[in-house]
Amino acid sequence: QVTLKESGPTLVKPTQTLTVTCTFSGFSLSASGVGVGWIRQPPKRALEWLALIYWDGDKRYSSSLKSRLTITKDTPKNQVVLKMTNMDPVDTGTYYCVHSFQYDILTWGQGTLIIVSS
Amino acid sequence: QSVLTQPPSVSGTPGQRVIISCSGSSSNIGGNTVNWYQRLPGTAPKLLIYGNNKWPSGVPDRFSGSKSGTSASLAISGLQSEDEADYFCAAWDDSLNGWVFGGGTKLTVL
Repeated sequence: QVTLKESGPTLVKPTQTLTVTCTFSGFSLSASGVGVGWIRQPPKRALEWLALIYWDGDKRYSSSLKSRLTITKDTPKNQVVLKMTNMDPVDTGTYYCVHSFQYDILTWGQGTLIIVSS
Repeated sequence: QSVLTQPPSVSGTPGQRVIISCSGSSSNIGGNTVNWYQRLPGTAPKLLIYGNNKWPSGVPDRFSGSKSGTSASLAISGLQSEDEADYFCAAWDDSLNGWVFGGGTKLTVL
């Protein structure tokens, strides 16, 4: 059974860097075609894809946020970390970690609420 | 504003069939497969349909998907009260080089 769990701070101050960790089980990020991505949803707004890292280390970023995002993986630990710099109140929302195979999102984590406020 | 367009809400009575539409463009639905997800309050989204019309293990065949051109649809037949949830579509976008999503459709079982 595939599971993903997001962890990180609930409250972040403006201008700070957010670090969220996805800890997963039930699949290997070294298997061909597998990826782990991040998606967020601000309150009452649409889902927005942020970043994706593939089994081979290839990384993709949302073009609108690319300058602020870094995604990394620790395959032996079954973890993927997303860093987002210069946080702003508009970045408030639920951040989801997802398991993908090729172009399909197969499994979602429960999400973690991130509030950006001073 | 979502890249993929869905109706905000649909409703039906138990036993009925409802259809939820998802409209996109040539860079997403037109060139890639569509997935559908069900989100119940307080839970993680669950994959219902992948590859336009395929069922993951454990999903009943009351749920079915189809795609034509730059639009896709999710049909739910034999509506049950437990189907009351939010449904959204997703597809890879070749222009954005990432996933795009529908805004979600709330299904109410009357």
